[in-house]
Parts: sequence; structure tokens; C-alpha cells
Amino acid sequence: EAQVTQNPRYLITVTGKKLTVTCSQNMNHEYMSWYRQDPGLGLRQIYYSMNVEVTDKGDVPEGYKVSRKEKRNFPLILESPSPNQTSLYFCASSSNAGGGGEKLFFGSGTQLSVL
Amino acid sequence: QKEVEQDPGPLSVPEGAIVSLNCTYSNSAFQYFMWYRQYSRKGPELLMYTYSSGNKEDGRFTAQVDKSSKYISLFIRDSQPSDSATYLCAILDNFNKFYFGSGTKLNVKP
Repeated sequence: EAQVTQNPRYLITVTGKKLTVTCSQNMNHEYMSWYRQDPGLGLRQIYYSMNVEVTDKGDVPEGYKVSRKEKRNFPLILESPSPNQTSLYFCASSSNAGGGGEKLFFGSGTQLSVL
Repeated sequence: QKEVEQDPGPLSVPEGAIVSLNCTYSNSAFQYFMWYRQYSRKGPELLMYTYSSGNKEDGRFTAQVDKSSKYISLFIRDSQPSDSATYLCAILDNFNKFYFGSGTKLNVKP
């Protein structure tokens, strides 16, 4: 089954404790991206990657890191989480953004709480 | 100014009603416009996308883009309780960045 898999689904952590949210897709997609969703603010793009070893900042990259060492994986890293990073996070992939690749396939989300 | 602004709702309509969902955008260079539907506790799913001004129809759904006024709309005919969800407009810019509206929560009452 074609899918984007995020883990974990729920995460509670404390300020300053490094964490990683994993994302994996099995569709051989080139484009992958991370979003956070907050009430009243909608989905905001954190980082995106056009291909392996190519990453770019989205709208709200501060406090986050990503890496794209393999085509299928795109982990989101919070080196020192803070309470304002409490949010619902989504990973998504697409065959190629632009020129027909506008269909983003989303994972099921990760609800993160930073205390 | 945000790249895309969406009427926040929420909207509550009776079954069978016509629903209109609307967004405006800021940059006249934007070319790719999408509508995503998000059910509670799920990731968004693409409903429709279009590259150009005018209407695009898919069953009970019609996406409309007016580039002259930088306005995008989604119309749902004969709305059903299963259409109850949050609808997000989205734009892909020329640098492969996606911008989403804040979402409109729709409730269709049986």
C-alpha cells in the first residue's frame, strides 16, 4: 500500500530534550516536506526537500533541522524543543512538486507536546 | 501579508445545500492552486487542483480560480454528511514551496 509513515503518533517531552520524528514513504517520491498545524494558523511548511541531499527552508524553519540521506526517509529533528513547538506535525511527499506533482500524500500526523 | 487567506468558518449547512468555500492570495505569479480535505485526526488529502483561471469540475465539486482578483473558491453541490471535514486551500509557488490557508471546518447536518 502506498503510504507515508510517521512515527511516533504521539509524543510528550520536556524542554531541551532532543527528539526526532521519523518519516518514510514507499512511493519513490522525490519531494518530501514537513508541516506544523496550529489552530487558526493552518498548515505551515517547515522544511522541504526536492531530492536526496537537497533541503530548503519553508515558512517556519526556526528550531528545526532535517536531513535527506535516502530518498525514502526525511526525519525532522528538534535539537532543543521549546513549548512553542507544541503542535501537530505532518510529513508529506509528492512525485515532483510543480508540473503535475502537486498531489501531496500526507502521513497520519504526530502530536507533539513540549512541557 | 499572508500568501493565502481563507474564510475561517466554521460552516454548518443542511444536507443537500450548496457550499461555497473561499480563499484569496497575494502573489499574482502563483500558478498552482489546490483544495485539500482533512477529516478529524487524519492527514489532508488532495481534492482538486488547477493551473489556470476558470472552473474545474469533478462530480459534486467545482474549483474556481479568478486570477484577476486573486480569488479561489470551492463549490460543493448536494452536500452530504460525509463531506463534513476541514477544507484547506493551498498554493504551490514557483520555488516549490506550499502555502496553505487556515482551513474552513464544514459540518453538513443530516
